Amino acid sequence: TQLLEQSPQFLSIQEGENLTVYCNSSSVFSSLQWYRQEPGEGPVLLVTVVTGGEVKKLKRLTFQFGDARKDSSLHITAAQTGDTGLYLCAGGLESNYQLIWGAGTKLIIKP
Amino acid sequence: DAGITQSPRHKVTETGTPVTLRCHQTENHRYMYWYRQDPGHGLRLIHYSYGVKDTDKGEVSDGYSVSRSKTEDFLLTLESATSSQTSVYFCAISGGLADYEQYFGPGTRLTVT
Repeated sequence: TQLLEQSPQFLSIQEGENLTVYCNSSSVFSSLQWYRQEPGEGPVLLVTVVTGGEVKKLKRLTFQFGDARKDSSLHITAAQTGDTGLYLCAGGLESNYQLIWGAGTKLIIKP
Repeated sequence: DAGITQSPRHKVTETGTPVTLRCHQTENHRYMYWYRQDPGHGLRLIHYSYGVKDTDKGEVSDGYSVSRSKTEDFLLTLESATSSQTSVYFCAISGGLADYEQYFGPGTRLTVT
């Protein structure tokens, strides 16, 4: 059974602080995606990383794929209240089109 | 945004009644998925489809069936609803430039009383 462990499960910080969310597995993934979900809505794809060591930036969000393609991180610089939401990571396998999902990190940014 | 709609958006039903949820896409994507999302469990795959009339089970398929008679429609049926099936159900599609990138519908909140 492939697992994708996300940490922390819950994070509440002040606006302006930095934070990092982690996604770890013992499995190798062909791709790793990060999604953000707001209450009452479906998850929205933020980014996909496919190459070991790859770093992608989306404004204040930095996504990194581990060299061995088993882990990933999401770093938010100077968090804003609009960053509040549930962040989900999902790993893609070479063998099929299904995704292995992490349980999510609930992020609350306080003003 | 991917063109994915789900109906109904909210439903309350009684234990033992059949329920059908509909997912409709306008993207002509090959793959479609049904997930349920519950606190503490994240997203769990119920069933998926890799083409018209081609479907397979996910990790939590017991009590659910699906059908896909057209590319654009994927139906999820609870044959006899139980309280444990109270959940938020999401449909997703993939099959654009990257098969593994999934795009989600807005969800259906189902309550079984």
